[in-house]
Amino acid sequence: EVQLVESGGGLVQPGGSLRLSCAASGFTFSSYWMSWVRQAPGKGLEWVANIKQDGSEKYYVDSVKGRFTISRDNAKNSLYLQMNSLRAEDTAVYYCARVHLPYEEGDYWGQGTLVTVSS
Amino acid sequence: DIQMTQSPSSLSASVGDRVTITCRASQGIRNDLGWYQQKPGKAPKRLIYAASSLQSGVPSRFSGSGSGTEFTLTISSLQPEDFATYYCLQHNSYTWTFGQGTKVEIK
Repeated sequence: EVQLVESGGGLVQPGGSLRLSCAASGFTFSSYWMSWVRQAPGKGLEWVANIKQDGSEKYYVDSVKGRFTISRDNAKNSLYLQMNSLRAEDTAVYYCARVHLPYEEGDYWGQGTLVTVSS
Repeated sequence: DIQMTQSPSSLSASVGDRVTITCRASQGIRNDLGWYQQKPGKAPKRLIYAASSLQSGVPSRFSGSGSGTEFTLTISSLQPEDFATYYCLQHNSYTWTFGQGTKVEIK
């Protein structure tokens, strides 16, 4: 059974940093692109970042470029999101997701971890 | 960046109604689009991939159509469990974009 379990969320002050982790199991993690998607309270979904299987390609939404870094450790079956210079507008539930090819295999999401940026 | 304009933002419908939701892309995205359903407090779930392919296990009352810049999600006969928020997601470019969402409520 595919499982994605996020951790690392919490309350942080504006300008602070946080590192989210996502532990993957039930599939060959190193074979899939992975994503982070977020959802601010009461708002819609926002794609945040993608990373290729070997970590050689990374893409970000403009609003987090230069502040967030997506990474992975295939030996540990883990995905990460390093978030620096956090702003109030980064407050959201952050989901780890496997939503890439092959699409026929379905999509998998974690339960989400809440990041609150507030003083 | 590719923008996705989803409409309507909300709708009220009755059980058994036919419901249509539209997404328009700011430029052509071939069929690189998926439709997702999200219920309160839960992670999203993909219903449709490649614009018109039904994800395994998803009821056949859901269907998708379109290519290029205009896409549609149709629920042929709305069921109680379908009351949720629906999003399109384009993955044609290196950076992805969700539509703003459509909340389907009970009339």
